[in-house]
Amino acid sequence: RKEVEQDPGPFNVPEGATVAFNCTYSNSASQSFFWYRQDCRKEPKLLMSVYSSGNEDGRFTAQLNRASQYISLLIRDSKLSDSATYLCVVNILISGGYNKLIFGAGTRLAVHP
Amino acid sequence: NAGVTQTPKFRVLKTGQSMTLLCAQDMNHEYMYWYRQDPGMGLRLIHYSVGEGTTAKGEVPDGYNVSRLKKQNFLLGLESAAPSQTSVYFCASSYSGGTLLLFSGNTIYFGEGSWLTVV
Repeated sequence: RKEVEQDPGPFNVPEGATVAFNCTYSNSASQSFFWYRQDCRKEPKLLMSVYSSGNEDGRFTAQLNRASQYISLLIRDSKLSDSATYLCVVNILISGGYNKLIFGAGTRLAVHP
Repeated sequence: NAGVTQTPKFRVLKTGQSMTLLCAQDMNHEYMYWYRQDPGMGLRLIHYSVGEGTTAKGEVPDGYNVSRLKKQNFLLGLESAAPSQTSVYFCASSYSGGTLLLFSGNTIYFGEGSWLTVV
């Protein structure tokens, strides 16, 4: 079983739609969580961190459910420019005080006119 | 505004050839990382470094070597390239790891990627 699992998609949605992605993680020692965005043939870039209380940044809302070990990303009023792959990233503190980032394979979103 | 710079961006190698990927960062970051990204899989850590002169193995270190002689540079070497090493390679850096990284929210910064094909 992968440590971080995501539905690969693609999610094909029209402009203006609301779309949600989920991500599950298996390591209960996971400490912090992030969503990254990756455009085609580009590097991943941090979209937002995910806090226990949930957080919102404009049209994007991230939620964390520690009990069920999943995080979610909600995008409202989708724009064409939101088309990308969204990576779920989990940060685990390992021995020696170092961290280990585990990346999901990503969920592809395609927003069409 | 360089950030993290990788060279070369594209390379085709024959099986058995060697090459070095160079990563440079100008943010005075302590931590540097090399990842590979393959279709259907998440980014996987090859090697990382927690400071100048240090290196450590990640999840998939076999077939690769690294060096961190200067704080700003992290080199990834393929001694004898194999077709299984065809991939996109990303270098990354972060200010720190451990507790500070857990809660900083900034996590890590990636280079633009290096596309390597081994034939």
